[in-house]
Amino acid sequence: DAGVIQSPRHEVTEMGQEVTLRCKPISGHNSLFWYRQTMMRGLELLIYFNNNVPIDDSGMPEDRFSAKMPNASFSTLKIQPSEPRDSAVYFCASSLTTVLGEQYFGPGTRLTVT
Amino acid sequence: QQQVKQSPQSLIVQKGGISIINCAYENTAFDYFPWYQQFPGKGPALLIAIRPDVSEKKEGRFTISFNKSAKQFSLHIMDSQPGDSATYFCAAGDNAGNMLTFGGGTRLMVKP
Repeated sequence: DAGVIQSPRHEVTEMGQEVTLRCKPISGHNSLFWYRQTMMRGLELLIYFNNNVPIDDSGMPEDRFSAKMPNASFSTLKIQPSEPRDSAVYFCASSLTTVLGEQYFGPGTRLTVT
Repeated sequence: QQQVKQSPQSLIVQKGGISIINCAYENTAFDYFPWYQQFPGKGPALLIAIRPDVSEKKEGRFTISFNKSAKQFSLHIMDSQPGDSATYFCAAGDNAGNMLTFGGGTRLMVKP
């Protein structure tokens, strides 16, 4: 398996623009997580899906952030409008929910908002 | 309380030395304690994990020590190597959900 796939790997955009980050989880995994990593705040969970349903979105910072999982093999994280403070590395991770266990992280998307 | 506190934030160790990273948690419902290793430009990857039914787990040069009464756990890297230089995250989770709460991370540098 290719592991968790994220695109793009790097994104540079101007303040106010819409940004869409994409994730393809490992085939067969039924849980998907979006994280944000910054030097100041470390690794923060933004939202967690189980069987394509959002279970916990308490980490989503503002209404500017939204996430969808239309099917088991694809998820998006959208920021509209983007702001400079959104600059971070965004990770997607997937796991099997049968027993609490390993989350497999993607390579991340480095977002820079100027 | 969901917080997991990790220390130190950074650590410099000589090659061959022992690296020790500590974590503490508040939520007594936590029953799964993994450590993740992250190299620059990569996503975190599971290194080793422990459940509270044992006090220690060893995998090669990496050992987790767990103290349930103190609500603390630590990662020991024996015979540290320059290739171990990375950021290490502790985490905690419970079976009520499938989420992990991560510590703040420790940037380890092993000097040759």
